[in-house]
Amino acid sequence: GQQLNQSPQSMFIQEGEDVSMNCTSSSIFNTWLWYKQDPGEGPVLLIALYKAGELTSNGRLTAQFGITRKDSFLNISASIPSDVGIYFCAGRDGATNKLIFGTGTLLAVQP
Amino acid sequence: NAGVTQTPKFQVLKTGQSMTLQCAQDMNHEYMSWYRQDPGMGLRLIHYSVGAGITDQGEVPNGYNVSRSTTEDFPLRLLSAAPSQTSVYFCASRGGTEQYFGPGTRLTVT
Repeated sequence: GQQLNQSPQSMFIQEGEDVSMNCTSSSIFNTWLWYKQDPGEGPVLLIALYKAGELTSNGRLTAQFGITRKDSFLNISASIPSDVGIYFCAGRDGATNKLIFGTGTLLAVQP
Repeated sequence: NAGVTQTPKFQVLKTGQSMTLQCAQDMNHEYMSWYRQDPGMGLRLIHYSVGAGITDQGEVPNGYNVSRSTTEDFPLRLLSAAPSQTSVYFCASRGGTEQYFGPGTRLTVT
């Protein structure tokens, strides 16, 4: 099935560093969602983006809806150990209205 | 407001056994769905429902059945479990554009 290209696959950083990850698609999306999944838990919605160019923050997290509507990025500033987890992007395909998920970015933060 | 709840949290089945994974939401969402999550495969859509009485197949529907008799509940049935169905299963519901997930059911089929 259709998948988003999410990168990087994994990141290993020191506490305090900033983090950036992104998702790209061949399809135009009309919504982008970013989730975080802690070990043994379900994905939790972090940020939702609804229009091209939109920049939205949630605490130390900032996400943007790309101008082309085919990409989105998520930044985490001043990372802390509890940021550890898998981050997923998801996009709503404008043609099919289906929600497509990226394969995830595993983030490890060393204290 | 509990959001999306799933039971059980863990389950072990023998090959050929049947079981139902339960999912309920209290947000009055019309859209509900089931995903499975396997290492390196991300989240794959099994079945979904756009409202009570309406269900449709997702990306990997084989071996699973669903029904939607009420807005709140969306159970997933495994009629004859196979080792390939060992996975973590997530139920989700969506109102508008934002989708919320349950805590998951970890299923092992031996």
